[in-house]
Amino acid sequence: DAKTTQPNSMESNEEEPVHLPCNHSTISGTDYIHWYRQLPSQGPEYVIHGLTSNVNNRMASLAIAEDRKSSTLILHRATLRDAAVYYCILRDGGGNQFYFGTGTSLTVIP
Amino acid sequence: GAVVSQHPSWVICKSGTSVKIECRSLDFQATTMFWYRQFPKQSLMLMATSNEGSKATYEQGVEKDKFLINHASLTLSTLTVTSAHPEDSSFYICSASRRTATNEKLFFGSGTQLSVL
Repeated sequence: DAKTTQPNSMESNEEEPVHLPCNHSTISGTDYIHWYRQLPSQGPEYVIHGLTSNVNNRMASLAIAEDRKSSTLILHRATLRDAAVYYCILRDGGGNQFYFGTGTSLTVIP
Repeated sequence: GAVVSQHPSWVICKSGTSVKIECRSLDFQATTMFWYRQFPKQSLMLMATSNEGSKATYEQGVEKDKFLINHASLTLSTLTVTSAHPEDSSFYICSASRRTATNEKLFFGSGTQLSVL
């Protein structure tokens, strides 16, 4: 399983944009980039995923580098409810398992 | 969105007893479910992959005789922690895989906090 590298923690002011980086230099051509987040004492929830093109949904945007060796999850306006651990995961399109890395703990400051 | 129900949300048991955790996909059929465990301040660690109608695939270092997984239907997988000991105390989380023609997502249960006395 390909590895991902994320900063351990980040801070953001409320209502400001947040850019959460993820490095995945060993990504293969068939790996999808998934983002999940976990609030305290809860199971993770899906945020967004993509393969090559940038993706947008109601929760966030995903910007994928042209060489696909890195990606950035963008929360356009951070709210206190966005405080969570964000995990960047590589998922082989033909594979089965989802392996979680260490994730980034996001603190949102009022 | 899809819902995965996990039960119980917390359980306290005596050392040596067995505990069963249920994971149900409520509004979709899940041929594949995953079981994770998580220690405080740490990430999720994949324990096993459960496929409906077949034996679970365990990750290296996970004792299959201690953590019994059954996936007898497309909507239910169970994890039984047998002869639980204090070191098995952890947060256990299940997830169900939902595939469409164009993508795949995981939907997670709310987790089970197991405390073994």
